[in-house]
Amino acid sequence: AQSVTQLDSQVPVFEEAPVELRCNYSSSVSVYLFWYVQYPNQGLQLLLKYLSGSTLVESINGFEAEFNKSQTSFHLRKPSVHISDTAEYFCAVRESGGYNKLIFGAGTRLAVHP
Amino acid sequence: TAGITQAPTSQILAAGRSMTLRCTQDMRHNAMYWYRQDLGLGLRLIHYSNTAGTTGKGEVPDGYSVSRANTDDFPLTLASAVPSQTSVYFCASSDTDRDVGSYTFGSGTRLTVV
Repeated sequence: AQSVTQLDSQVPVFEEAPVELRCNYSSSVSVYLFWYVQYPNQGLQLLLKYLSGSTLVESINGFEAEFNKSQTSFHLRKPSVHISDTAEYFCAVRESGGYNKLIFGAGTRLAVHP
Repeated sequence: TAGITQAPTSQILAAGRSMTLRCTQDMRHNAMYWYRQDLGLGLRLIHYSNTAGTTGKGEVPDGYSVSRANTDDFPLTLASAVPSQTSVYFCASSDTDRDVGSYTFGSGTRLTVV
């Protein structure tokens, strides 16, 4: 069975500063990895995903994540955050060969301050 | 706008009463899911359905039942509600043949069991 650990429940940061949200996973098989974002009072939206190929994946709004198989990590980064990035971020994993069921981490609340 | 519709938006329910949370999608996605979101625990999978006519148990299925009579609808029923079922419930769907791991989420149902 897979599991996901998000190492920080809350991350406060000032606007235009860099940020890293950490995610580690556990699985005995190959996995696909995802980051979802949840803005206040909304459902989750897919931010980016790693399926295969290049280990560095990017989103359209400047976030990136790198798959590190040896460290079983998929940390999310952004070099300069905006107030509008304030949201809760969820890392998720699923087996590459199994049913399409995502297992989510507990979430990291990113709070961007002016 | 294509997507997932959940109803009701919120509900206060007396313990011991039954309730059905409704979920409808208009994207013809084959797979659908129910998650509950609790502070500090992230999203946990309750039940899922890979195609119309089939359902499966997730991480926390006890006290819940689902049915998938057609592609579009995936209702979640609480037969006899208990306070521990107070949560925010999210329905999601995905096209497992075309887009691995990309879920579309509804806006959620906030349920309070008293």
